[in-house]
Amino acid sequence: EIVMTQSPATLSVSPGERATLSCRASQSVATSLAWYQQNPGQAPRVLIYGASARATGIPARFSGSGSGTEFTLTISSLQSEDFATYYCHQYNNWPYTFGQGTKLEIK
Amino acid sequence: EVQLVESGGGLVQPGGSLRLSCAASGFTFSSYWMHWVRQAPGKGLVWVSYIKSDGGDTKYADSVKGRYTISRDNAKNMLYLQMNSLRADDTAVYYCARDVYMGFDHWGQGTPVTVSS
Repeated sequence: EIVMTQSPATLSVSPGERATLSCRASQSVATSLAWYQQNPGQAPRVLIYGASARATGIPARFSGSGSGTEFTLTISSLQSEDFATYYCHQYNNWPYTFGQGTKLEIK
Repeated sequence: EVQLVESGGGLVQPGGSLRLSCAASGFTFSSYWMHWVRQAPGKGLVWVSYIKSDGGDTKYADSVKGRYTISRDNAKNMLYLQMNSLRADDTAVYYCARDVYMGFDHWGQGTPVTVSS
């Protein structure tokens, strides 16, 4: 099983600043990596496919990068609605696995 | 509009069974792989099971293998998860999700399952 490790567990950032979230895979997943945003009590929402492609309707301030085992989600200028929990997800190998999440909180 | 609506969750005793359903609409259900993902209270997302578009292939997380069965009825646009021999650590919100071969693009709102005596 591929273990996805996200860091940090919690990230405190001020509105308007940049946030950088990391995800590391225990073995290569190529670019088969998605990022999701989840607010409390809600279902996850996909942000990024294929490590770097924004999903439909996702603002340009969200960007993804990386390949192999190291991935990054960057939010360029944080808006109030961006404070949520973020998960990475590899779909290159069975079983599919998720990271444990990064909670983005207001500083 | 793509919609996925789960149902069937509830309170069940350890060792009991539940059948979850996911009603799909707004897309050609029979063309898509589908998954179940769960989230224990205060915890992260965990992939549970997958079924191919025609039902011809299924996969399970080790933690549920032999206890859960995923199935689908493409004529009714329905996805199912039969859960047997339930344990306390199966307590979670269960989501169905549509696979677009690049991740999961649509999720249901989730149905809660509580396993407790």
